[in-house]
Amino acid sequence: AQSVTQLGSHVSVSEGALVLLRCNYSSSVPPYLFWYVQYPNQGLQLLLKYTTGATLVKGINGFEAEFKKSETSFHLTKPSAHMSDAAEYFCAVNLPQAGTALIFGKGTTLSVSS
Amino acid sequence: DTAVSQTPKYLVTQMGNDKSIKCEQNLGHDTMYWYKQDSKKFLKIMFSYNNKELIINETVPNRFSPKSPDKAHLNLHINSLELGDSAVYFCASSPNRESYNEQFFGPGTRLTVL
Repeated sequence: AQSVTQLGSHVSVSEGALVLLRCNYSSSVPPYLFWYVQYPNQGLQLLLKYTTGATLVKGINGFEAEFKKSETSFHLTKPSAHMSDAAEYFCAVNLPQAGTALIFGKGTTLSVSS
Repeated sequence: DTAVSQTPKYLVTQMGNDKSIKCEQNLGHDTMYWYKQDSKKFLKIMFSYNNKELIINETVPNRFSPKSPDKAHLNLHINSLELGDSAVYFCASSPNRESYNEQFFGPGTRLTVL
């Protein structure tokens, strides 16, 4: 069975600091990997995803993530945090077969202080 | 020109009542989903339809019944509401049932059962 672990339910950074949100997965086969962001009282929006190819993936709003198969990780980073980055971030996996659904981690709340 | 819309946005009701949540997507997608987000923000798949056919039916109470009148709509009907049904329900869609696709989420329906 697949599972996703997001280390740190709450991460606080200062504006301009590096953002690092951790995600590790467990899967019987290499899954597809996703990061979604949820702003307060809104739906989820895709930041980036890894399916195949280059393991360093760039997404929207300056975020990027690197798929490391040996570490079963897909950590999300941003070099310089902005106040507008404060939100809930979800890592998710999906099996590489049709007709399956996203399995989400428990989420990480990112707070950004000035 | 909202991509995935849900109605109502908020739903407050008494235990034992029956209620429905409607979802519509104007993206021309074939596949639609219902997810439940609990009070701890954990997201879990409930159902998925592809071209009006049920393809994912997770272990949820029989009181929950999805209906897809056409591929642009996926409604969720809940009978005999219980306190534990209080949550945010998200509808999502994707181009087809391939698992590498991004899922597009609606704004959510916050259900409160009193």
